[in-house]
Amino acid sequence: ELTQPPSVSVSPGQTARITCSGHALPNQFASWYQQKPGQAPVLLIYKDSERPSGIPERFSGSSSGTTVTFTISGVQAEDEGDYYCQSADNTGTVVFGGGTKLTVL
Amino acid sequence: QVQLQESGPGLLKPSETLYLTCTLSGHSITSDYYWGWVRQPPGRGLEWIGTIYHSGTTYYNPSLRSRVTISIDASKKKFSLALTSSTAADTAVYYCAREKGTNMLTRAIDQWGQGTLVTVSS
Repeated sequence: ELTQPPSVSVSPGQTARITCSGHALPNQFASWYQQKPGQAPVLLIYKDSERPSGIPERFSGSSSGTTVTFTISGVQAEDEGDYYCQSADNTGTVVFGGGTKLTVL
Repeated sequence: QVQLQESGPGLLKPSETLYLTCTLSGHSITSDYYWGWVRQPPGRGLEWIGTIYHSGTTYYNPSLRSRVTISIDASKKKFSLALTSSTAADTAVYYCAREKGTNMLTRAIDQWGQGTLVTVSS
């Protein structure tokens, strides 16, 4: 199970951090997705901190123990949306966090 | 350019079996990726349903395992989802997806279909 805060609010230009906690995370990798209303999710981070091609550098990820953190540096209005963490175990099971709604004030 | 397209009935009655198919274009289904299904009930979060490799090996969400079957037809570049004994709780947008990863632990969903709404209602 992965636990995320239901909501995070941040002003434009500030740094947003979204956490994801899970007891198995020290032995797993995390991915992060952004979802805007009516759209499919988009992969932003995989293997804790790697960015797919085309994803801006202001999106980053880190891991420490049972918590992984997704960071947006210099938040823009277009970053508003829902963010999900995801991990997979070595039996093949994939799990998502409950999601965090990011509001840009 | 990889494209995934879901197809199937948008409405079914309780106890019926939900069938969805995903058609892949712009990519080989026998490449070193996994193919899966994710759903999202209205206003709620994402739920992984299951995944299949082109060899036929499958992985299912433990909470849905007894009702789910995912199959693949590599010759047609399609993979399918069957979910039996549907209830209103299965009402959701269903996405087909491509998973990348060098091993089980590194899997991430890097391509998504547009999603299709399936409603279970009498």
